[in-house]
Amino acid sequence: KQEVTQIPAALSVPEGENLVLNCSFTDSAIYNLQWFRQDPGKGLTSLLLIQSSQREQTSGRLNASLDKSSGRSTLYIAASQPGDSATYLCAVPYNQGGKLIFGQGTELSVKP
Amino acid sequence: NAGVMQNPRHLVRRRGQEARLRCSPMKGHSHVYWYRQLPEEGLKFMVYLQKENIIDESGMPKERFSAEFPKEGPSILRIQQVVRGDSAAYFCASSPQSQGETQYFGPGTRLLVL
Repeated sequence: KQEVTQIPAALSVPEGENLVLNCSFTDSAIYNLQWFRQDPGKGLTSLLLIQSSQREQTSGRLNASLDKSSGRSTLYIAASQPGDSATYLCAVPYNQGGKLIFGQGTELSVKP
Repeated sequence: NAGVMQNPRHLVRRRGQEARLRCSPMKGHSHVYWYRQLPEEGLKFMVYLQKENIIDESGMPKERFSAEFPKEGPSILRIQQVVRGDSAAYFCASSPQSQGETQYFGPGTRLLVL
């Protein structure tokens, strides 16, 4: 059974800091891994999708890495801004099918 | 290209009533997924549908809940005889294929059962 864990559950940093969010999964036979952002009371915005054959993906100030053998992914946010404040979720497909298994999320607060 | 659309955005029902949640996938997407986010909990998969077919309903409660994705029109998640524990945010996502593709999420329907 695939389980996804995110640490820490909450993180507060001053503006300008670089930070790392962690995601771990129990079954390394994943097809891909997706990082999302969720703002309070809103839906999910897809940030990055890493295929199982890739080691990392970059989009602007975001960099996501994937280590299948150790069951880990990290989301690196460079030069954080107050607008980055949100809950960040990672998710993997279950049994290479369509449904996603989500972590509980990391609630990020970036203080001006 | 409009994103995934869900309506209503907010729905209030009294215990025992029915709730109907609608989802229109992105243009060109034939795969629809429903997820539920209970207060203070993570997102949980409910059901995965393609046009006119339910592919995986393993996350959907056996009673009172049903879902469809007809040939024409939006996907519908229907909850009969709602109870307070059904209060949650219900999200719909769509993708062009089931594997290897990003799922795009709608804004959600927030159901409150009084």
